[in-house]
Amino acid sequence: DIVMTQSPDSLAVSLGERATINCKSRQSLLYSSNNKNYLAWYQHKPGQPPKLLIYWASTRESGVPDRFSGSGSGTDFTLTISSLQAEDVAIYYCQQYFTTPRTFGQGTKVEIK
Amino acid sequence: QVQLVQSGAEVKKPGASVKVSCKASGNIFTSNEISWVRQAAGQGFEWMGWMNPNSGNTGYAQKFQGRVTMTRNTSISTAYMELSSLTSEDTAVYYCARGGKTPGDYWGQGTLVTVSS
Repeated sequence: DIVMTQSPDSLAVSLGERATINCKSRQSLLYSSNNKNYLAWYQHKPGQPPKLLIYWASTRESGVPDRFSGSGSGTDFTLTISSLQAEDVAIYYCQQYFTTPRTFGQGTKVEIK
Repeated sequence: QVQLVQSGAEVKKPGASVKVSCKASGNIFTSNEISWVRQAAGQGFEWMGWMNPNSGNTGYAQKFQGRVTMTRNTSISTAYMELSSLTSEDTAVYYCARGGKTPGDYWGQGTLVTVSS
């Protein structure tokens, strides 16, 4: 199974400031035939299902605010919230869909400082 | 309106089975695989497997092989996940999601399954 490791486990950011979450995969998620990274980011709030934010490592899902961006390739990826809003308080997860079983990072809890 | 609606919470005894349903609306049922993911309290997400609603073909995580069965009824746009030989470690919220080869873009609301004697 591909192990996904996120850092940090939690972070507190002031409103309007930048939040950065890292995700590292034990093996490359870059498929050479199409040059795509099989990496997604989700936002999860209590009592709700996860919400897809980013796929192909950097493509924003429809309707997701542009303060959310994804970057990285191969084994190292980053989710950035450029200007943290109160409604962004949540746990964020990366997930690889390069192979089965699909695996998730352990999550990063984002709070307001 | 596109949505996946799951069946209600269940309480089961150890050794029993549970069957969770996931009804799709908005013409999304046959457009992609349906995956099942669970989350125990305070834990991360665990992918259980997927099913192609058109063919009925399935793929299960090795951890659940022999214990999980994913089926569907296309006439009512509903997918099912049945998990047998339940133990307390199966207590979790179970989600269905549209997506298999691609990440889940639509998710059900979740179904809490509690296993307790």
